[in-house]
Amino acid sequence: GDSVTQMEGPVTLSEEAFLTINCTYTATGYPSLFWYVQYPGEGLQLLLKATKADDKGSNKGFEATYRKETTSFHLEKGSVQVSDSAVYFCALSTEPYNQGGKLIFGQGTELSVKP
Amino acid sequence: GAVVSQHPSRVICKSGTSVKIECRSLDFQATTMFWYRQFPKQSLMLMATSNEGSKATYEQGVEKDKFLINHASLTLSTLTVTSAHPEDSSFYICSARDLARGSNEQYFGPGTRLTVT
Repeated sequence: GDSVTQMEGPVTLSEEAFLTINCTYTATGYPSLFWYVQYPGEGLQLLLKATKADDKGSNKGFEATYRKETTSFHLEKGSVQVSDSAVYFCALSTEPYNQGGKLIFGQGTELSVKP
Repeated sequence: GAVVSQHPSRVICKSGTSVKIECRSLDFQATTMFWYRQFPKQSLMLMATSNEGSKATYEQGVEKDKFLINHASLTLSTLTVTSAHPEDSSFYICSARDLARGSNEQYFGPGTRLTVT
């Protein structure tokens, strides 16, 4: 079945370091891919998305490129801040909008940024 | 835009009682809402898909009679945990899709922390 695998956390970085969180997926068909962020005690917020191969999603300095050949959607940021400390979830959806559109989430990667 | 609220944010109830959690889309209409459960430091587990005006679709292993879902309007879905037990204590999160956008993007509520004593 469809699945998402993320790199294990926690990831601890110093402020201004470069961030990469790996995400790979297995899916039949052509999924849409998402990154969500969850701050402590809160729900999830959509960070960025890509709906087809070679699309690059970007937001707030974060970016991820939909790589069909490697079935990956790695999250990157050039210079992290303490405020980026959160849990990051990679997700996919293969169901057409009018047939459910369920999201399948990876296990989440906790990021901790130290001053 | 695309704001989803949940009420209450935290609830403590005694074992054997029922508790209702509301999920509202504040500035858009949502024919489909989703209910998730999240354990500490774990991913989200989809419990059910709630469709306005019809019965919810439950994921395998989720007890329909224990987790009652009602989606009576385009902006409101409710999850009622019946005869709650301590093992039902968890973080419950809802999400909604914007009918007008026609995409699979989901907007999440802030979550409800349920503690059953």
